[in-house]
Amino acid sequence: AQKITQTQPGMFVQEKEAVTLDCTYDTSDQSYGLFWYKQPSSGEMIFLIYQGSYDEQNATEGRYSLNFQKARKSANLVISASQLGDSAMYFCAMRPAGGTSYGKLTFGQGTILTVHP
Amino acid sequence: SQTIHQWPATLVQPVGSPLSLECTVEGTSNPNLYWYRQAAGRGLQLLFYSVGIGQISSEVPQNLSASRPQDRQFILSSKKLLLSDSGVYHCAWSEAGVEQYFGPGTRLTVT
Repeated sequence: AQKITQTQPGMFVQEKEAVTLDCTYDTSDQSYGLFWYKQPSSGEMIFLIYQGSYDEQNATEGRYSLNFQKARKSANLVISASQLGDSAMYFCAMRPAGGTSYGKLTFGQGTILTVHP
Repeated sequence: SQTIHQWPATLVQPVGSPLSLECTVEGTSNPNLYWYRQAAGRGLQLLFYSVGIGQISSEVPQNLSASRPQDRQFILSSKKLLLSDSGVYHCAWSEAGVEQYFGPGTRLTVT
C-alpha cells in the first residue's frame, strides 16, 4: 500500500519569497510517480508538476520545482517568487507504475498556503 | 483541447435519497476515468476507476456505484445516501495513466 504524508497543515509566506511544502511517501514499489496539485478556493484540482521515481533530475515547471530525495522518500514542492494567487490548498500524490494499479492516485492531507502581501 | 465537465456543481440531498452525478470528457478517446471523494478538510480518496466502457473497478466498499455507459461518460450513483457521503466529488481523466486532469467537482451535502 502507498501512503503520502504532508505534515504542514498550514504555511505562510511573504509575497515574492520562496516557500517549501513538505511531502514524504511510503511505498514498496520500485517504480512510481509523484505529483503535486493545487486546489484554489474554487475547488478544482490543478496539476502542477510530476516526478518519476527513475528521473535523475528534479522536475521543474516555471516557478515550481520538486525537490526529490529518493533515499529519504521525500518530494517537497518549492514555489519561488510567491504570488498572491498562489494562496490555495496543495496536495502531494503518488501512483504506482504498471500492473492493475496503474494510474490510481493516493493523496496526502494537503497543506494550506497563504501568501501575504 | 480536452475538457471535462461535471454536473451538477452543487447538490443538497436528504438522507436516504438517490444520487446521480455525471462526468463527461471531450477531446480524447478511450480515456481512463476516475471518481474521487474529498471530505471536508481532507485529501482525495479514490472511489472508482474505469479503463473502458462497462469496465469499473471499486477501491473502497461503500453504498456508491459507478457506471460507464459511453466512452467519455462516467456516472456515480447511490440508491440511498448516507450523511457520510457528503463531500466534494471529483471526476478525473488520464491517457495511459500519466497525469490526471480533474473536473470542477460536485459539492454534495447530505442533510
